[in-house]
Order: sequence, then structure tokens, then C-alpha cells
Amino acid sequence: AQSVTQPDIHITVSEGASLELRCNYSYGATPYLFWYVQSPGQGLQLLLKYFSGDTLVQGIKGFEAEFKRSQSSFNLRKPSVHWSDAAEYFCAVGGSGNTPLVFGKGTRLSVIA
Amino acid sequence: GAVVSQHPSWVICKSGTSVKIECRSLDFQATTMFWYRQFPKQSLMLMATSNEGSKATYEQGVEKDKFLINHASLTLSTLTVTSAHPEDSSFYICSARGDEREAFFGQGTRLTVV
Repeated sequence: AQSVTQPDIHITVSEGASLELRCNYSYGATPYLFWYVQSPGQGLQLLLKYFSGDTLVQGIKGFEAEFKRSQSSFNLRKPSVHWSDAAEYFCAVGGSGNTPLVFGKGTRLSVIA
Repeated sequence: GAVVSQHPSWVICKSGTSVKIECRSLDFQATTMFWYRQFPKQSLMLMATSNEGSKATYEQGVEKDKFLINHASLTLSTLTVTSAHPEDSSFYICSARGDEREAFFGQGTRLTVV
């Protein structure tokens, strides 16, 4: 069965510091992988996605993620965090056609001065 | 990316009444739509998957008679919460997929039942 694990429920980083949010997945076929960000009371915003090809994908707002098939991971990174990055981050895995996305439980990011 | 419009963005209703939430794909044909529910500080949980012109497939534990899903056209799916109760208060999000590999999300509907 498909599943996504985000091991960190809550992470606090200082503004300007680097960030890495972890995501591990279980999927029976070639996965499509996504990272979304959600601010309180808002919908989801897509940060980046991986379908195939280059395993290092660049997204919006300076985020990037690396797909590592051997580790079943798709970790999200940002070299320098801004206070406006404070939000909830969700990793998701899915396939094509009628396959819905399966979401991790999310990681809440807090940014301190 | 493609645009999915979800309406209303928030709604307050009295207990026992029904509420309809619309999800429209504005610039593509959505052959499949997904409905999710999100409780405060929790992740998105899939409620059902619907394909245009056929009955929705509900996830285990989701009452199909309470959460009526209609996907009558390639651009519109609706979720009707029937006889709503306070425990149905939640954030509901739709997602639509056409020919692309990516599914696009609406902005969500905050339902509060009083």
C-alpha cells in the first residue's frame, strides 16, 4: 500500500539557516512525488514535483528536492530560510490516472529571528 | 498550471441542513476528481474518487449517503454534506486531474456547522 512518512512533526530553524524536511515513501510502481506548502486556513500550494528524469528538482521560492530511489526518499531543502516560509509542509506520492495522492502527516516549520 | 476553482471558500450552516460545495476545472477537462477532508492540524484524508459520468468510489469509513458526490460533467464535481452536524465541520479540498500527470487542487472550503 502507498504511504508517506514525514518523520518530523515540527521543526524550528533560525532565519537565514538552511532547511531540510524529510520524506520517505512506499509505493509499488514508479512514484510521482510532490511537496506542498499550506499556510493556516489556506489551501495547498505546489512547491515542486518529480515525475522522471533529473533527480534533483527545483521549485518555487528557492526550494529544491532530491529523489533518491535507493532510499525511497524525497527530501525538501532550502539553503536560507525566510520568516515567510513558516507554514505546514506536506509530502505526497501518487501515480497516474485514477490514483489519488497520498499525503504525509505534514511538518510544521517555525522560523525564529 | 491549470486552475481549479472551489466554491464557497467558507460556509456556516445550521445543524441538520445540507451544504453543497462545488469544484470546477476552469481550463481543462477533469476526468477524475478527488475529495479530501482535513481536520485542524492534521493531514489531508482522501474521502472519495469520482470519474465523470460514473459513481464515486468512497474510502473506507466515509458515509456515501452523508457525503454525496456528483461528477456530472468534465468540469464540475460537487460534494453535498447532507444533514450536517458539528462533527462534519472541517476543511474540504477538491483535486482534479485531466490528461496531465499532475492533479490540481482547489483552495478549499471551510465548513462550520453550528
